[in-house]
Amino acid sequence: ETGVTQSPTHLIKTRGQQVTLRCSSQSGHNTVSWYQQALGQGPQFIFQYYREEENGRGNFPPRFSGLQFPNYSSELNVNALELDDSALYLCASSFGTEPEAFFGQGTRLTVV
Amino acid sequence: RKEVEQDPGPFNVPEGATVAFNCTYSNSASQSFFWYRQDCRKEPKLLMSVYSSGNEDGRFTAQLNRASQYISLLIRDSKLSDSATYLCVVNSEGFKTIFGAGTRLFVKA
Repeated sequence: ETGVTQSPTHLIKTRGQQVTLRCSSQSGHNTVSWYQQALGQGPQFIFQYYREEENGRGNFPPRFSGLQFPNYSSELNVNALELDDSALYLCASSFGTEPEAFFGQGTRLTVV
Repeated sequence: RKEVEQDPGPFNVPEGATVAFNCTYSNSASQSFFWYRQDCRKEPKLLMSVYSSGNEDGRFTAQLNRASQYISLLIRDSKLSDSATYLCVVNSEGFKTIFGAGTRLFVKA
């Protein structure tokens, strides 16, 4: 096991609602990255947090936002959910700028 | 053109076969390269890093060709347990990590 945990594991939301997904990083890791993985696709980079600051962002709209806390755990918030937001959301933790990352088991979000 | 491209497969091979996957990337400034493995409905797991000098881990060999901007993964003596999706990953700017869509491998008895 990687030591990266995500909650919840599954979630069903209605279009237009808001959702918060949570991630606890591996002990000793201070960087958290979030990814969206649609069925049959590779993970798409949403953003990365390093020491509580956003360190980079992929091509996702502002309704995707995040936070990192002093203990390096993180949240992903998505507002105004759309049907296309249905996907597996993955959190990965790493140390500093080291690119090797370890993933949590993911949160499967279904928007109906 | 996608930033990281892989043949989606599927590759169907018998046990014991040797199989190779290739991946191309478009950003010549890319700095780090990896292969991840993802089992059905599971999270990706780091398989190995890829270095210009090539590296080997048991039955797995990875190579990087910076001039041609491609990465390869060779699996020798395939096992049933190797059946998975193999994701090519390219990292640049320290944080920007791009995954390919993955290559599916099925190893059959």
